[in-house]
Formats: sequence, C-alpha cells, structure tokens
Amino acid sequence: NAGVTQTPKFQVLKTGQSMTLQCAQDMNHEYMSWYRQDPGMGLRLIHYSVGAGITDQGEVPNGYNVSRSTTEDFPLRLLSAAPSQTSVYFCASSYGLAGAGGTQYFGPGTRLTVL
Amino acid sequence: AQSVTQPDIHITVSEGASLELRCNYSYGATPYLFWYVQSPGQGLQLLLKYFSGDTLVQGIKGFEAEFKRSQSSFNLRKPSVHWSDAAEYFCAVGSIITGNQFYFGTGTSLTVIP
Repeated sequence: NAGVTQTPKFQVLKTGQSMTLQCAQDMNHEYMSWYRQDPGMGLRLIHYSVGAGITDQGEVPNGYNVSRSTTEDFPLRLLSAAPSQTSVYFCASSYGLAGAGGTQYFGPGTRLTVL
Repeated sequence: AQSVTQPDIHITVSEGASLELRCNYSYGATPYLFWYVQSPGQGLQLLLKYFSGDTLVQGIKGFEAEFKRSQSSFNLRKPSVHWSDAAEYFCAVGSIITGNQFYFGTGTSLTVIP
C-alpha cells in the first residue's frame, strides 16, 4: 500500500498561472479532503469529497476547484494563482467523514510558492 | 462556530521527563476530538481520538489524552518523553452538525533535550 500520494512535492508559480495538485489513495477510502497549512494557523479545510462525483466546500474554498471522477483521485486546481495561496497543501483520505470521526491518512504534502 | 486553542506555541522538555500539551475547544455539544503529530517535512499521523465513553483515551507511541467536559479541554500526556517525540502536535475537533467540519489548532512544537 502506497497510502496517500501527492505530486509534485514542490512547485513555484507566477501570479495568474494555473496548476493542478494531484492526490491519489489506494486504500479504497470514500472520503478525501484537501487542507492548507500556514505558519501559526494550523491546517484549514479547503474542499472535501464523500465519494466519486460528490464534492463540497470546507472552511477556505475560495480560489480552488476540485472534482472527483474516481475513488482513487482527488485533484486540487488553482485557476489563477495568487501570492496568498503560498502554502503547504495536504491531501487526506478516510473511511468515514473527518467531521464524524473518520481517521484521516495524510499525504506528504506539496509546498507551493506563488511569486 | 467551533474552535480549537493550543495555548503553548513551543515546549521544551528533557528526555525522560513527563509531558502535557494543552488543548481547549469551543463547541456547543460533545465534539469528536483528535490529536495528530507531524514530524518535520512529513504529513500528519493520528495519535488518538475521543468520541464518547471513557474520558481517558490511550493512543499510539505511549500517548494518552483526557477529555474534561467541565474545562472544555483535551490535554495530551506522556509519562516519559523520548527524543523521537520531537515534532509538531495538533489538536483537532470534528463535527457534522453543519456539513463536514474539521478544525485544527495552531499546533505546539515540542523540543526534546538530552
């Protein structure tokens, strides 16, 4: 089992550029989430999915899009990157909803810098 | 709205000493409570979680936490710290009252000195 994998590990973008952060899991989890981690602020939920074709917003969804076409993959899209999106991004998956106590398994993170 | 407070940004302890990391939450009902650990450059790993029942919860790596409703606290403890415990520790609260909500505290960085 690879668990939760994220690519790339590091990325530098210019303001206005777009990109997709990839996330995949091989544990057959229905639930997947994206978080961003900023210094002094802990992790904040961006978007989550409860299964293929179903996504919803978390605490800080603005500027990000998601889709879930398969159980395994949950990509995060930045359509027009802004310096405020400089952060470390973590993907997580779980058997149950995180809010309902599902144990989340985290990927290693993607460190994104927007110039 | 739910919130999680970790009052200690950084804690330093000697190897072999006991440890207590504080966590306070704000929530109208009994939430789901978690402690996660993050080693440098790594993702997060679940240490333990509390849903209901026994207020003293045992976790991995010798950690335990106690839920105290009267104090809205969920403090993490370990009787004897090892050098490998140096990491960032996050308390978190989950709720599905209004959608899937999951909130992390700002974290406590633990340094262990020999």
